[in-house]
Amino acid sequence: NAGVMQNPRHLVRRRGQEARLRCSPMKGHSHVYWYRQLPEEGLKFMVYLQKENIIDESGMPKERFSAEFPKEGPSILRIQQVVRGDSAAYFCASSPTGGNQPQHFGDGTRLSIL
Amino acid sequence: KNEVEQSPQNLTAQEGEFITINCSYSVGISALHWLQQHPGGGIVSLFMLSSGKKKHGRLIATINIQEKHSSLHITASHPRDSAVYICAVPTTFSGGGADGLTFGKGTHLIIQP
Repeated sequence: NAGVMQNPRHLVRRRGQEARLRCSPMKGHSHVYWYRQLPEEGLKFMVYLQKENIIDESGMPKERFSAEFPKEGPSILRIQQVVRGDSAAYFCASSPTGGNQPQHFGDGTRLSIL
Repeated sequence: KNEVEQSPQNLTAQEGEFITINCSYSVGISALHWLQQHPGGGIVSLFMLSSGKKKHGRLIATINIQEKHSSLHITASHPRDSAVYICAVPTTFSGGGADGLTFGKGTHLIIQP
């Protein structure tokens, strides 16, 4: 009965490299949310996806960040040309359907930029 | 856009004390979430409620939709309850599809033995 799986748990990148964060939702869940928690700050919404569709990306920085949730495989949050300010914990959550549903969170990916 | 305020920001109490954490929000919502973030960083969903009260073990969550206010209570607190407790609401009240969440800044709770 696997929950939301995120990998890697920790990711270290140098400035200018690309970071790819993966999220496999709970079985039967087709809605995925990405959140970012900057050091000493609260969680912030980034993007909401359903299979093959981006529903709301209003929280995503306009440049360098992208997200996808393909028909097969995990959801990917991609950060190109990383900068020090991208260092944060990135959490994924999933829910089974639209409407008011509890969101189940993964353990997060801690991204550190050298 | 919904604004979420939590209080207190930090709370230290002795084992066995009754704990109350408050959350208020600015825009009417369909449901409110209480989350727990462990010292290791993982996040657990404690409650989602849209009216009244819910209870799970020593945890009780209440919500007053008219007053736009919710409380999380912990009875007979224990050191293992030490964590950050976070209130969250839908970013926009759509009344329909699942929204991304807007979070409070969290309450850092420490229960001393």
